[in-house]
Amino acid sequence: EVQLVESGGGLVQPGGSLRLSCAASGLTFSDYWMTWGRQAPGKGLEWVANIKHDGTEKYYVDSVKGRFTISRDNAKNSLFLQMNSLGAGDTAVYYCTIGRGYNWGQGTLVTVSS
Amino acid sequence: DVVMTQSPLSLPVTLGQPASISCRSSQSLVHRDGNTYLNWFQQRPGQSPRRLIYKVSNRDSGVPDRFSGSGSGTDFTLEISRVEAEDVGVYYCMQGTQWPWTFGQGTNLEIK
Repeated sequence: EVQLVESGGGLVQPGGSLRLSCAASGLTFSDYWMTWGRQAPGKGLEWVANIKHDGTEKYYVDSVKGRFTISRDNAKNSLFLQMNSLGAGDTAVYYCTIGRGYNWGQGTLVTVSS
Repeated sequence: DVVMTQSPLSLPVTLGQPASISCRSSQSLVHRDGNTYLNWFQQRPGQSPRRLIYKVSNRDSGVPDRFSGSGSGTDFTLEISRVEAEDVGVYYCMQGTQWPWTFGQGTNLEIK
């Protein structure tokens, strides 16, 4: 059974940083593109960033370019999202998913507030 | 960015009755590889999203066959043949053809 478990969320002040992690199991992690999505409280879904199997291609939504960095460690079946210069608009539950949304984790809540 | 427009945004349905959600994209979703990357997701209250349908009409494993997807080009439909209580939630269409992938606004399905 495929499982994705996110961690690393929490309360951070505006301008601060957080690093999210996603531990994957039940799949050959290195075979898949991986994607981070998010959902602001009471709002719809938004894709944030995705990364190719081998990490050689990365794509970001415009609102996070230059602030967020997606990365992966295939040896550890792990996906990461380094988030810098956080603002209130980044407050959301962040989800790790496989490719175009096949399997989602339970999400980790990021709250940006002073 | 490709804009995805769903209708209706609110869908009250009687148990056992059919339901239909429309999704329209601002441009064709046919990818250069020939596939059409239109997915449907269900998000039950308090839960993570779950993919139901991928590439227009393919049901994911474990998805009941009362769910079906159809369409082409820019117009797509999710149909539920007989709504059950467990189908309550928000349904999203999503295009994965052009980055940034984008979702529709969501359709809130509730039981009358």
